[in-house]
Amino acid sequence: DIQMTQSPSSLSASVGDRVTITCRASQSVDTYLNWYQQKPGKAPKLLIYGASNLQSGVPSRFSGRGSGTDFTLTISSLQPEDFAVYYCQESYKAPLTFGGGTKVEIK
Amino acid sequence: EVQLVESGGGLVQPGGSLRLSCVASGFTFSNYWMSWVRQAPGKGPEWVANIQQHASEIYYLDSVKGRFTISRDNAKSSLFLQMNSLRVEDTAVYYCARDKLAGATKFDSWGQGILVTVSS
Repeated sequence: DIQMTQSPSSLSASVGDRVTITCRASQSVDTYLNWYQQKPGKAPKLLIYGASNLQSGVPSRFSGRGSGTDFTLTISSLQPEDFAVYYCQESYKAPLTFGGGTKVEIK
Repeated sequence: EVQLVESGGGLVQPGGSLRLSCVASGFTFSNYWMSWVRQAPGKGPEWVANIQQHASEIYYLDSVKGRFTISRDNAKSSLFLQMNSLRVEDTAVYYCARDKLAGATKFDSWGQGILVTVSS
């Protein structure tokens, strides 16, 4: 099975900050990597698919990069509604594993 | 608007069974792979199983193989998860998620989730 490791596990940031979250796969997943945002009591929401493709309706301040084993999710200017937990997920092969999550908190 | 509505959760004793259902609307259900994803309390999401448009391909998480069965009824735009021999560690919110048309999986629509509690 492919293991997905996110860092950091949590971070504190202010509105307007640039935030970058890292996801590393235990083996190459090419660009088969998705990012989700989850708020308390809600289902995850797809932000980025195929490592760098912005899902329809998602603000352009979200961007994704990477290929192979190393990926990043960047929020260019953090907004109040962006405080949430973010997960990466590989879609290279089953089982389709998620990372452990990164909680973005208000500083 | 895409909608996925789960039902069938609840409290069950270890070793018991439950059948989850998910009714889809707002899109052509038979065009998509579908998945079940679960999330234990305080943990991250965990993919459980997925099923191809006409059930010709099905995949499971190793820990549920032989206990859970995913199925679908395209005429009723419905997805199912039959869960047998339930264990305490199966306790989670279970989500129905729209998977892919083709190519790589992306869970672009999710249900509201249904809680399954396995406890004596």
